[in-house]
Amino acid sequence: DTAVSQTPKYLVTQMGNDKSIKCEQNLGHDTMYWYKQDSKKFLKIMFSYNNKELIINETVPNRFSPKSPDKAHLNLHINSLELGDSAVYFCASSLTGTGHEKLFFGSGTQLSVL
Amino acid sequence: GNSVTQMEGPVTLSEEAFLTINCTYTATGYPSLFWYVQYPGEGLQLLLKATKADDKGSNKGFEATYRKETTSFHLEKGSVQVSDSAVYFCALSTGPSGTYKYIFGTGTRLKVLA
Repeated sequence: DTAVSQTPKYLVTQMGNDKSIKCEQNLGHDTMYWYKQDSKKFLKIMFSYNNKELIINETVPNRFSPKSPDKAHLNLHINSLELGDSAVYFCASSLTGTGHEKLFFGSGTQLSVL
Repeated sequence: GNSVTQMEGPVTLSEEAFLTINCTYTATGYPSLFWYVQYPGEGLQLLLKATKADDKGSNKGFEATYRKETTSFHLEKGSVQVSDSAVYFCALSTGPSGTYKYIFGTGTRLKVLA
């Protein structure tokens, strides 16, 4: 009964390839996020969607394209992967209107670009 | 802009020692403040939160008080255990419901020795 699940857990690929990471939450939340955590553990938001609508889009290269087919899913597609894309990517979700927007995180996808 | 600054780690303590991890913030308006914990190989989990000045968040023996006058939210625990070894993130959230934006600190690694 994983609350926020993302796949794959590990992704090793060559520079220039295109890859996708999938995320699903079964908590009934209406907002989902993608975060990037670098090797120094610095965590930075990339995107957030509220009811399938893009709310936050930080200064992320347009090689990164999120897609939210419904409130329970937020996938991340990355084109033309670069070495600097190597990181751990976390999906998260929250429920608006609860007053404090507690985030629930997935266990992460470790992306290694060779 | 909004930001969170927390002490650099790693912090290494013996079991039963007293823990303090400092966190200060800069924000417009009235942010909510959080501490999240990340155990090895896992996503972040909410540890505690405070939504207004002078609130004290507490959980699992950890405490933090929202100090508006010093813009601080320091994490404390009176007696740490080996199982507390993890990375701790201070964070704030701002914005209207549905568009909340989280800002995370850089994380502080805690290592507790038996």
